Amino acid sequence: SQTIHQWPATLVQPVGSPLSLECTVEGTSNPNLYWYRQAAGRGLQLLFYSVGIGQISSEVPQNLSASRPQDRQFILSSKKLLLSDSGFYLCAWSEGHQIETQYFGPGTRLLVL
Amino acid sequence: AQKITQTQPGMFVQEKEAVTLDCTYDTSDQSYGLFWYKQPSSGEMIFLIYQGSYDEQNATEGRYSLNFQKARKSANLVISASQLGDSAMYFCAMRENSGYSTLTFGKGTMLLVSP
Repeated sequence: SQTIHQWPATLVQPVGSPLSLECTVEGTSNPNLYWYRQAAGRGLQLLFYSVGIGQISSEVPQNLSASRPQDRQFILSSKKLLLSDSGFYLCAWSEGHQIETQYFGPGTRLLVL
Repeated sequence: AQKITQTQPGMFVQEKEAVTLDCTYDTSDQSYGLFWYKQPSSGEMIFLIYQGSYDEQNATEGRYSLNFQKARKSANLVISASQLGDSAMYFCAMRENSGYSTLTFGKGTMLLVSP
């Protein structure tokens, strides 16, 4: 069966510091991968998605970036965090066909101080 | 315009009763999918149920069913025999055929189940 992992689970970072969140998927190959952010008490906002190694699409321009160095690894990064980057970051995967279900990881809570 | 609208910020239900969470959507695509997710306080998004736009029958998964009314563009989630563990945020989402692999989420409904 497929599993999706995210780490760290919780992170507290100062403004201006770098960020690296990691997401890995097991039990499937060539998945579509997604990064979402959820601000407190709000819905999910899609940040990035990837349909293959090295292929990244950005939905919202901001100081975050994403990379997919391996088939089942998706990384969310920032060179300098802003206060507004605080939130709950969720990684998701889906099979690579249309109208597929997305399955989410446990998430990372990020607090920027 | 919002593509997914969940008009109920919060809902209360007593244990063992049924509850309906509303969701309306907006799309010009003929082919699309509708999803419901549950988010407990732990934060993880749990997939509950899926309805395809061409599915003639309403989707069901255990105690969850989706009341799909295509002409009205609504996809309400019905939870039968509520349990205390059903207390959580519930999100409706849509995947349009023209939108490459992306889901659009509603703002969610907080469901509280009381004993």
